[in-house]
Amino acid sequence: DIQMTQSPSTLSASVGDRVTITCRASQIINTYLAWYQQKPGKAPNLLIYKTSTLESGVPSRFSGGGSGTEFTLTISSLQPDDFATYYCQQYNTFSPWTFGQGTKVEI
Amino acid sequence: QITLKESGPTLVKPTQTLTLTCTFSGLSFSTSGVGVGWIRQPPGKALEWLAIIYWNDDKHYSPSLKSRLTITKDTSKNQVVLTMINMDPVDTATYYCVNNPWLSGAFDIWGQGTMVTVSS
Repeated sequence: DIQMTQSPSTLSASVGDRVTITCRASQIINTYLAWYQQKPGKAPNLLIYKTSTLESGVPSRFSGGGSGTEFTLTISSLQPDDFATYYCQQYNTFSPWTFGQGTKVEI
Repeated sequence: QITLKESGPTLVKPTQTLTLTCTFSGLSFSTSGVGVGWIRQPPGKALEWLAIIYWNDDKHYSPSLKSRLTITKDTSKNQVVLTMINMDPVDTATYYCVNNPWLSGAFDIWGQGTMVTVSS
């Protein structure tokens, strides 16, 4: 299995801050990486796919980058609605598709 | 607009079989490229992909759970059924149905999820 490791596990930030979350894959996954946002009691919401493509309706303050085994999710100016848990997911191979352990962004 | 909704028991006993149904609208297995899958999340833990089925009946399973899982589709009813045998308390989780178009890999539409507790 391809292991996905996110850092940090928890991130404390303030409204207006620029924040970056890192996701490292245990092997090369090309650009087959997605990011999700999840709020308590809700299903995850797709933010970014193919490393850097913003899903329709997602604010432009979210951006993704990276390649190979290291990837980032950046929020350019943190908004109150952005306090949530974020997950990365690789889909380079079927065996199996795997998620990171999550990064909680808190005030 | 694509919507998916999970249904099934909220409580199952250890060793029993879990059967979950995903009923969807806004897409059809009669259309090339359609895929629907399952993901679960234990309380306070990370997401885990379980299985996917495509319009052409191509199926893929998580290797660690493959021996316990079966995914099927009913095109006429717009449903996908996930069966997991030999349930254990560690299988307690919220189970999500997800839309996953062929060659996409990313899950763009999620059901609301259904919480399943495994306990005697």
